[in-house]
Amino acid sequence: AQSVTQLGSHVSVSEGALVLLRCNYSSSVPPYLFWYVQYPNQGLQLLLKYTTGATLVKGINGFEAEFKKSETSFHLTKPSAHMSDAAEYFCAVSEGNAGNMLTFGGGTRLMVKP
Amino acid sequence: NAGVMQNPRHLVRRRGQEARLRCSPMKGHSHVYWYRQLPEEGLKFMVYLQKENIIDESGMPKERFSAEFPKEGPSILRIQQVVRGDSAAYFCASSPRTENTEAFFGQGTRLTVV
Repeated sequence: AQSVTQLGSHVSVSEGALVLLRCNYSSSVPPYLFWYVQYPNQGLQLLLKYTTGATLVKGINGFEAEFKKSETSFHLTKPSAHMSDAAEYFCAVSEGNAGNMLTFGGGTRLMVKP
Repeated sequence: NAGVMQNPRHLVRRRGQEARLRCSPMKGHSHVYWYRQLPEEGLKFMVYLQKENIIDESGMPKERFSAEFPKEGPSILRIQQVVRGDSAAYFCASSPRTENTEAFFGQGTRLTVV
């Protein structure tokens, strides 16, 4: 069985500061890993994904994440936070041969202070 | 190419009534996934369907919940005899195939049971 843990249900940063959202996973097979963003009363939008290949993945809106197999982590970073980044972020894992059935973490609400 | 369309966006039902949630996948997508998001929680997988087939329903409650994806028309998630605990946001996602591809999410249906 697979699982995802997001450390910190709420993260607050100042505008312009580094954003770091943590995600650890467990999976019995090589995982596919995803980060999604959810704005209030909206659906989920894919930020980035890792399937195979390069372990540093760049996504939209300046976000990137690095797959570290030895640490079973897939932390999301952005060098400089913008007010518009305030949202809920979800890390998710799927086992590639199981289609796109995703197991989500509990989410991290990012707040950006002016 | 319209995105994943869910309707209604908001649904209020009294305890004991039936709720029907509809999901029209993106054009060309034959795989549909339903997720439930309880307040302050992450999304939980419910069911995975292809046209006319349920592929995986391991996340569906054993009673009162059913899903279908007919040859023609939208996918339907049906909840019979709703209870207060069914109040949640229900999201549908679709993808064109099973592996190594992005699942696109709809904006969700927010069900409130009063």
